[in-house]
Amino acid sequence: QKEVEQDPGPLSVPEGAIVSLNCTYSNSAFQYFMWYRQYSRKGPELLMYTYSSGNKEDGRFTAQVDKSSKYISLFIRDSQPSDSATYLCAMSGLRQGGSEKLVFGKGTKLTVNP
Amino acid sequence: DAGITQSPRHKVTETGTPVTLRCHQTENHRYMYWYRQDPGHGLRLIHYSYGVKDTDKGEVSDGYSVSRSKTEDFLLTLESATSSQTSVYFCAIRLGDTQYFGPGTRLTVL
Repeated sequence: QKEVEQDPGPLSVPEGAIVSLNCTYSNSAFQYFMWYRQYSRKGPELLMYTYSSGNKEDGRFTAQVDKSSKYISLFIRDSQPSDSATYLCAMSGLRQGGSEKLVFGKGTKLTVNP
Repeated sequence: DAGITQSPRHKVTETGTPVTLRCHQTENHRYMYWYRQDPGHGLRLIHYSYGVKDTDKGEVSDGYSVSRSKTEDFLLTLESATSSQTSVYFCAIRLGDTQYFGPGTRLTVL
Protein backbone atom coordinates (compact mmCIF):
# COMPACT_ATOMS: atom_id res chain seq x y z
CA GLN A 1 0.00 0.00 0.00
CA LYS A 2 1.39 3.37 -0.97
CA GLU A 3 1.84 5.86 1.84
CA VAL A 4 -0.35 8.47 0.13
CA GLU A 5 -3.04 7.76 -2.44
CA GLN A 6 -4.65 10.44 -4.57
CA ASP A 7 -7.01 9.99 -7.49
CA PRO A 8 -5.28 11.54 -10.51
CA GLY A 9 -8.55 12.45 -12.22
CA PRO A 10 -8.85 14.29 -14.46
CA LEU A 11 -11.76 16.09 -12.88
CA SER A 12 -13.85 18.46 -14.98
CA VAL A 13 -16.53 20.67 -13.45
CA PRO A 14 -18.61 23.68 -14.53
CA GLU A 15 -17.84 27.11 -13.16
CA GLY A 16 -19.49 27.68 -9.79
CA ALA A 17 -19.45 24.03 -8.78
CA ILE A 18 -18.20 22.77 -5.43
CA VAL A 19 -15.09 20.70 -5.91
CA SER A 20 -13.96 17.97 -3.54
CA LEU A 21 -10.40 16.65 -3.74
CA ASN A 22 -9.21 13.84 -1.51
CA CYS A 23 -6.22 11.85 -0.34
CA THR A 24 -5.91 8.80 1.83
CA TYR A 25 -2.80 7.77 3.70
CA SER A 26 -1.52 4.79 5.61
CA ASN A 27 1.07 6.24 8.02
CA SER A 28 -0.61 7.11 11.30
CA ALA A 29 2.45 9.20 12.26
CA PHE A 30 1.51 11.95 9.81
CA GLN A 31 0.66 15.15 11.66
CA TYR A 32 1.13 17.92 9.11
CA PHE A 33 -1.07 18.10 6.05
CA MET A 34 -0.75 20.38 3.07
CA TRP A 35 -2.40 21.10 -0.24
CA TYR A 36 -0.42 22.53 -3.11
CA ARG A 37 -1.74 23.97 -6.34
CA GLN A 38 0.36 23.62 -9.45
CA TYR A 39 -0.41 25.44 -12.65
CA SER A 40 0.88 24.02 -15.90
CA ARG A 41 4.65 24.47 -16.23
CA LYS A 42 4.93 26.14 -12.82
CA GLY A 43 6.22 25.08 -9.42
CA PRO A 44 3.83 23.82 -6.71
CA GLU A 45 2.37 26.64 -4.65
CA LEU A 46 1.32 26.09 -1.04
CA LEU A 47 -2.42 26.55 -0.77
CA MET A 48 -3.45 25.21 2.62
CA TYR A 49 -1.68 23.85 5.68
CA THR A 50 -3.27 21.99 8.58
CA TYR A 51 -1.78 20.52 11.70
CA SER A 52 -3.43 17.36 13.04
CA SER A 53 -7.20 16.94 12.72
CA GLY A 54 -9.90 19.45 11.99
CA ASN A 55 -10.95 22.00 9.43
CA LYS A 56 -9.30 25.10 8.10
CA GLU A 57 -10.95 27.66 5.89
CA ASP A 58 -9.37 30.30 3.69
CA GLY A 59 -11.73 32.14 1.39
CA ARG A 60 -13.26 29.67 -1.03
CA PHE A 61 -10.98 26.85 0.14
CA THR A 62 -11.56 24.49 3.06
CA ALA A 63 -9.14 21.78 4.15
CA GLN A 64 -10.34 18.91 6.29
CA VAL A 65 -8.33 16.25 8.07
CA ASP A 66 -9.85 13.10 9.53
CA LYS A 67 -7.01 11.26 11.22
CA SER A 68 -9.25 8.44 12.43
CA SER A 69 -10.02 7.57 8.81
CA LYS A 70 -6.62 8.66 7.48
CA TYR A 71 -8.39 10.87 4.99
CA ILE A 72 -7.88 14.49 3.98
CA SER A 73 -9.98 16.68 1.73
CA LEU A 74 -9.83 20.01 -0.01
CA PHE A 75 -13.09 21.72 -0.91
CA ILE A 76 -13.30 24.56 -3.38
CA ARG A 77 -16.51 26.56 -3.34
CA ASP A 78 -17.76 28.61 -6.27
CA SER A 79 -15.02 27.20 -8.47
CA GLN A 80 -13.52 29.49 -11.11
CA PRO A 81 -11.69 28.79 -14.36
CA SER A 82 -8.58 30.17 -12.63
CA ASP A 83 -8.77 27.19 -10.24
CA SER A 84 -7.88 24.90 -13.14
CA ALA A 85 -4.64 23.28 -12.03
CA THR A 86 -3.21 20.13 -10.55
CA TYR A 87 -3.73 19.80 -6.81
CA LEU A 88 -1.19 17.88 -4.76
CA CYS A 89 -1.67 16.70 -1.23
CA ALA A 90 1.39 16.37 0.98
CA MET A 91 1.98 15.28 4.53
CA SER A 92 4.70 14.65 7.06
CA GLY A 93 5.15 13.14 10.46
CA LEU A 94 6.69 14.24 13.69
CA ARG A 95 9.99 15.93 13.23
CA GLN A 96 13.00 13.70 13.41
CA GLY A 97 16.10 15.77 13.98
CA GLY A 98 14.55 18.61 12.06
CA SER A 99 15.05 17.16 8.61
CA GLU A 100 11.39 16.48 8.00
CA LYS A 101 10.45 15.17 4.59
CA LEU A 102 7.14 15.51 2.84
CA VAL A 103 5.30 12.63 1.20
CA PHE A 104 3.26 13.72 -1.79
CA GLY A 105 0.23 12.38 -3.55
CA LYS A 106 0.52 12.19 -7.32
CA GLY A 107 -1.88 15.05 -7.86
CA THR A 108 -5.41 15.51 -9.22
CA LYS A 109 -5.83 17.52 -12.39
CA LEU A 110 -8.83 19.83 -12.18
CA THR A 111 -10.46 21.75 -15.03
CA VAL A 112 -13.16 24.31 -14.32
CA ASN A 113 -15.14 25.07 -17.45
CA PRO A 114 -16.64 28.56 -17.99
CA ASP B 1 8.07 32.25 -4.37
CA ALA B 2 10.06 32.39 -1.09
CA GLY B 3 12.98 33.97 -2.92
CA ILE B 4 13.96 30.82 -4.81
CA THR B 5 15.44 30.87 -8.28
CA GLN B 6 16.56 27.95 -10.40
CA SER B 7 18.94 27.93 -13.31
CA PRO B 8 18.86 27.06 -16.05
CA ARG B 9 15.09 26.98 -16.55
CA HIS B 10 15.38 24.74 -19.58
CA LYS B 11 18.18 22.52 -20.77
CA VAL B 12 18.64 19.97 -23.50
CA THR B 13 21.68 17.75 -23.27
CA GLU B 14 23.00 14.49 -24.60
CA THR B 15 23.36 11.15 -22.89
CA GLY B 16 26.65 10.82 -21.04
CA THR B 17 27.27 14.52 -20.47
CA PRO B 18 27.50 16.04 -16.99
CA VAL B 19 24.80 18.50 -16.00
CA THR B 20 24.58 20.83 -13.01
CA LEU B 21 21.40 22.52 -11.91
CA ARG B 22 21.49 25.41 -9.50
CA CYS B 23 19.07 26.45 -6.81
CA HIS B 24 19.56 29.85 -5.24
CA GLN B 25 17.71 31.32 -2.27
CA THR B 26 18.02 34.76 -0.77
CA GLU B 27 16.46 34.29 2.68
CA ASN B 28 19.02 32.19 4.54
CA HIS B 29 16.87 29.07 4.85
CA ARG B 30 18.66 26.13 6.41
CA TYR B 31 16.84 23.27 4.67
CA MET B 32 16.84 22.85 0.91
CA TYR B 33 15.53 20.00 -1.23
CA TRP B 34 15.76 18.71 -4.78
CA TYR B 35 12.79 16.88 -6.30
CA ARG B 36 12.00 15.49 -9.69
CA GLN B 37 8.48 15.37 -11.06
CA ASP B 38 7.39 12.83 -13.64
CA PRO B 39 3.97 11.82 -14.99
CA GLY B 40 2.62 8.90 -13.01
CA HIS B 41 5.16 9.33 -10.22
CA GLY B 42 4.48 12.73 -8.82
CA LEU B 43 7.16 14.56 -6.83
CA ARG B 44 10.03 12.42 -5.61
CA LEU B 45 12.82 13.56 -3.33
CA ILE B 46 16.33 13.24 -4.76
CA HIS B 47 18.54 14.81 -2.10
CA TYR B 48 18.20 17.35 0.62
CA SER B 49 20.45 19.57 2.69
CA TYR B 50 20.16 20.62 6.31
CA GLY B 51 23.05 23.04 6.31
CA VAL B 52 26.27 24.01 4.59
CA LYS B 53 28.09 20.82 3.60
CA ASP B 54 25.32 18.72 5.24
CA THR B 55 23.36 16.67 2.75
CA ASP B 56 21.50 13.38 2.65
CA LYS B 57 19.84 11.10 0.14
CA GLY B 58 16.20 10.95 -0.76
CA GLU B 59 14.24 8.14 -2.37
CA VAL B 60 15.64 8.49 -5.92
CA SER B 61 19.25 9.56 -5.38
CA ASP B 62 21.00 7.10 -7.72
CA GLY B 63 22.80 8.95 -10.51
CA TYR B 64 22.67 12.29 -8.70
CA SER B 65 25.01 14.14 -6.41
CA VAL B 66 24.60 17.44 -4.58
CA SER B 67 26.74 20.08 -3.01
CA ARG B 68 26.12 23.00 -0.73
CA SER B 69 29.18 25.11 -0.10
CA LYS B 70 27.21 28.18 1.00
CA THR B 71 23.78 28.67 2.49
CA GLU B 72 22.20 30.26 -0.54
CA ASP B 73 23.18 27.72 -3.19
CA PHE B 74 22.26 24.06 -3.55
CA LEU B 75 23.63 22.34 -6.63
CA LEU B 76 22.33 19.15 -8.21
CA THR B 77 24.72 17.29 -10.52
CA LEU B 78 24.02 14.51 -12.94
CA GLU B 79 27.48 13.05 -13.43
CA SER B 80 26.59 11.29 -16.67
CA ALA B 81 23.08 12.12 -17.82
CA THR B 82 20.77 9.34 -19.02
CA SER B 83 17.45 9.52 -20.82
CA SER B 84 15.69 8.31 -17.66
CA GLN B 85 16.75 11.58 -16.03
CA THR B 86 14.62 13.59 -18.43
CA SER B 87 12.28 15.31 -16.00
CA VAL B 88 11.27 18.54 -14.37
CA TYR B 89 13.43 19.33 -11.39
CA PHE B 90 12.21 21.43 -8.50
CA CYS B 91 14.13 22.94 -5.67
CA ALA B 92 12.38 23.68 -2.39
CA ILE B 93 13.14 25.31 0.92
CA ARG B 94 11.62 24.50 4.26
CA LEU B 95 9.79 27.20 6.17
CA GLY B 96 8.29 26.04 9.44
CA ASP B 97 6.52 22.75 8.79
CA THR B 98 6.00 23.34 5.08
CA GLN B 99 8.04 23.62 1.93
CA TYR B 100 8.08 26.24 -0.78
CA PHE B 101 9.10 25.46 -4.30
CA GLY B 102 11.08 27.16 -7.00
CA PRO B 103 9.89 27.55 -10.60
CA GLY B 104 11.56 24.36 -11.84
CA THR B 105 14.09 23.31 -14.46
CA ARG B 106 12.92 21.31 -17.45
CA LEU B 107 15.71 18.92 -18.44
CA THR B 108 15.71 16.83 -21.59
CA VAL B 109 18.39 14.18 -22.10
CA LEU B 110 18.61 12.99 -25.69
